[in-house]
Amino acid sequence: ELKVEQNPLFLSMQEGKNYTIYCNYSTTSDRLYWYRQDPGKSLESLFVLLSNGAVKQEGRLMASLDTKARLSTLHITAAVHDLSATYFCAVDSGNTPLVFGKGTRLSVIA
Amino acid sequence: EPEVTQTPSHQVTQMGQEVILRCVPISNHLYFYWYRQILGQKVEFLVSFYNNEISEKSEIFDDQFSVERPDGSNFTLKIRSTKLEDSAMYFCASSEVTTYMRFFGPGTRLTVL
Repeated sequence: ELKVEQNPLFLSMQEGKNYTIYCNYSTTSDRLYWYRQDPGKSLESLFVLLSNGAVKQEGRLMASLDTKARLSTLHITAAVHDLSATYFCAVDSGNTPLVFGKGTRLSVIA
Repeated sequence: EPEVTQTPSHQVTQMGQEVILRCVPISNHLYFYWYRQILGQKVEFLVSFYNNEISEKSEIFDDQFSVERPDGSNFTLKIRSTKLEDSAMYFCASSEVTTYMRFFGPGTRLTVL
C-alpha cells in the first residue's frame, strides 16, 4: 500500500527566512505532485515531478525529487505572508489513485 | 483559463437523505475523480472514472455511493442515504491523459445533520 508522509505537519516561520518541507513515500511511484490549499478553498496545482533529479521552481517555491530516496522537498525561499497555506504532496503510479500526505500547515509571520 | 466547476458550494441535508453533487470537468479532459476531505484532515480518494465507467474506487466508496456522467459535460456523485460521517468537503477533479495532473474544482461542503 502506498503511503505518503510529510513533515513537518505545522510550520511557523518568519518572513524572509528559508525552510524546507519534506515528503517521503513508501513504494516506487511515477509522479509526485505538490498542491497548495488556502483555508476553505480548493487545491491549487503547484508542481508535478516526473523523474529522478527533477527540479521545478515557481517564484519563492522550489520542488525537487529523489526517486532513489523516495523523497521530495519543497523549499521556500525568503518567505512572505502570502505563502501561508497548507501544502500537500501526493503520489501516484501508472493509473493508481493519487495518494495524499497529511499536509503541512505553513504560517508565515512578520 | 478552463477550470473545473462544482455545484452546489454548500449542501446541508438530514441523515438518511439522498444528495447529488455536481461537477463540470475541464472539457478536453478524459479522467474524472471524486475526492473528499474531512475538516482539517488529508484529502482522500473516492473514485476515478474513465470512458464512461469506474476505473478505480476506494474502500470509502461503498454501495451508498454512485457516479454518473449523464451527458457530455456533467459528472455527478450521488450518496443514497447520508450518514453523519459523510460530512466533508467533496472535490471533483479532472485530468488529461498525458500530464496526469489533476485539476480540482472549488469543492462542495456537505453537512449532514
